Amino acid sequence: NAGVMQNPRHLVRRRGQEARLRCSPMKGHSHVYWYRQLPEEGLKFMVYLQKENIIDESGMPKERFSAEFPKEGPSILRIQQVVRGDSAAYFCASSPSSRPGGSTDTQYFGPGTRLTVL
Amino acid sequence: GNSVTQMEGPVTLSEEAFLTINCTYTATGYPSLFWYVQYPGEGLQLLLKATKADDKGSNKGFEATYRKETTSFHLEKGSVQVSDSAVYFCAVGNQAGTALIFGKGTTLSVSS
Repeated sequence: NAGVMQNPRHLVRRRGQEARLRCSPMKGHSHVYWYRQLPEEGLKFMVYLQKENIIDESGMPKERFSAEFPKEGPSILRIQQVVRGDSAAYFCASSPSSRPGGSTDTQYFGPGTRLTVL
Repeated sequence: GNSVTQMEGPVTLSEEAFLTINCTYTATGYPSLFWYVQYPGEGLQLLLKATKADDKGSNKGFEATYRKETTSFHLEKGSVQVSDSAVYFCAVGNQAGTALIFGKGTTLSVSS
């Protein structure tokens, strides 16, 4: 059973360009989460999606960032007009379900995409 | 909102030493608690979890007990190996159950 897959593993962009990060969840998982890890810091939640729906985007910057999880294909995290501060490791996680009442299902993480903005 | 605080590193130990990495949490309700491990250049791997008070999660010799009275979830291992060198993250589910909230991570370095 393949794990969470992310590509590319490394991405270099110049300031002002667009970055597209892809995530394929584990087989049977319909919930996808994106996190960002800045140097020397822990992971910060960005967005939680189910198929064709954004459930929680409270951690997503209001401008330049967007995410989708279409009915077919991988989830995409898109960063427009990248700046040097966007340089980070972006991790995708997936889970089979999400329980209500404050309990979070186990999330399985991909290897990450390391974005470098020149 | 929910949060976790874990001890800052780095933690440097000799092989076969006893390991404790402290983690305390603040939460509304009874969220699940997790420890993840990250090896250099890789993603996070789930190490263990606990879903309710007094639960003990364990895996690969690591243990952590969900302590409601002290709001803690300390990670322990009786005898560390060089291969345990990694960054360890404590995490708690957020109030809405939609995301994990991570501590800043503790770097463990084990020498032979």
